[in-house]
Amino acid sequence: DTGVSQNPRHKITKRGQNVTFRCDPISEHNRLYWYRQTLGQGPEFLTYFQNEAQLEKSRLLSDRFSAERPKGSFSTLEIQRTEQGDSAMYLCASSLGGGAGDEQYFGPGTRLTVT
Amino acid sequence: AQRVTQPEKLLSVFKGAPVELKCNYSYSGSPELFWYVQYSRQRLQLLLRHISRESIKGFTADLNKGETSFHLKKPFAQEEDSAMYYCALSPRGYGQNFVFGPGTRLSVLP
Repeated sequence: DTGVSQNPRHKITKRGQNVTFRCDPISEHNRLYWYRQTLGQGPEFLTYFQNEAQLEKSRLLSDRFSAERPKGSFSTLEIQRTEQGDSAMYLCASSLGGGAGDEQYFGPGTRLTVT
Repeated sequence: AQRVTQPEKLLSVFKGAPVELKCNYSYSGSPELFWYVQYSRQRLQLLLRHISRESIKGFTADLNKGETSFHLKKPFAQEEDSAMYYCALSPRGYGQNFVFGPGTRLSVLP
C-alpha cells in the first residue's frame, strides 16, 4: 500500500462542464475526508465519510458538489456546472478511525483549473 | 463557529535559532489541536497533536486554553525544518470536521 492516491492529478476544464475526481484511501481506513485548498489558504473541510456513510458536509459545499463512497472503499467527488471559483487543489485524506484525534493521511491532491 | 488563525504568513530564522510558530483558535468547547506540515513536493502530514504530548523532530506544542493558543516551538531550527506549517482544530475530538489555519511558511536560513 503506497498511501492515499488521487486521480487525476491535474484537470483543466471549461466553465460549465462537470468533473469527477477519485480518491483511493489506505485500505484498512474507515474514514475518508475531502478538502479544498486555494492559494495562500489552509485546507478547507468539504465532507467526511465513515465507511460508506456520508456523515458530515460543510455548509460551504454548494449543491453542485456531490461525493460518494459506495462500497466504503474509494470515493468520488463530482462538481457539476463548474465555475471559475471552483479552481483549487482538492485533497483527500483517510484515517483509521475509532479514537480521538486519529491521524489523517493525505493524498497528493487533484489540481482543478476552470477556464 | 470555530476558527484557527496563524498570524505569520512567513517566518525566517537562521539555523540554530529558536523557532515559534503561532496558532490561536476560537472554539467554545474542548478542542483537539494538531500541527500538520508540508515539505517541498511532499504531501501534507501530521507533525504532532496536543493529546499525545509528544516531541516530534524536536518540535513541541502546548495547548493554552486560557489564551486559546497552540504555538509550535523548537529550540534550535534546522534547515530541513523549512516547510509550510498548518495548525488545525477538531471541534469534536474525533477528527471529523477539521478546521485548518492559513499556514505559516518557515524558512530556515544557513
